[in-house]
Amino acid sequence: EPEVTQTPSHQVTQMGQEVILRCVPISNHLYFYWYRQILGQKVEFLVSFYNNEISEKSEIFDDQFSVERPDGSNFTLKIRSTKLEDSAMYFCASSEDRGIHEQYFGPGTRLTVT
Amino acid sequence: DAKTTQPTSMDCAEGRAANLPCNHSTISGNEYVYWYRQIHSQGPQYIIHGLKNNETNEMASLIITEDRKSSTLILPHATLRDTAVYYCIVYNAGNMLTFGGGTRLMVKP
Repeated sequence: EPEVTQTPSHQVTQMGQEVILRCVPISNHLYFYWYRQILGQKVEFLVSFYNNEISEKSEIFDDQFSVERPDGSNFTLKIRSTKLEDSAMYFCASSEDRGIHEQYFGPGTRLTVT
Repeated sequence: DAKTTQPTSMDCAEGRAANLPCNHSTISGNEYVYWYRQIHSQGPQYIIHGLKNNETNEMASLIITEDRKSSTLILPHATLRDTAVYYCIVYNAGNMLTFGGGTRLMVKP
């Protein structure tokens, strides 16, 4: 069964450093998403991406964040200058098309900012 | 923006049916009800969705009341691996999924 994969599984970085989280969505999916979950809190939407541009973004997704689909398979989330409060699980998801909410999530990347 | 209300936690005996309720009294006519679950710290997993009619798949059944103000997710024979947080989500405008606190289901031997 096709699945969303994410690398690395755990990333430790120092405050102020840039990090790139990587995702490989399911191959025939067209919509891509990033969510995050701070330990013990709710899963929060960050951004959706379609046709090589951001479709929607939340208030969390400020200028420190960016997304990119650098090639036909990868989807990345970059945090330019990490803060302590960016420590969280980051989940990538994908869905077949617009308006379809059967989103398939990856296993997540645990980001720890020290 | 329809909101959902779910019990914080529930217990279920292994092998028995788990019935997870959800209230969504402000749901609009074209909004779907989706259920996801999250096992430990894994990524959320899609379970089932519906609009008006009851739905069933290999994982679960979804019962939606006639007035659509509430629904119940049914796991017919719960196993220990079904221990998870279950989220009832009503689609709102846009493509994001808005997760609430969910119901923490504990399946006990």
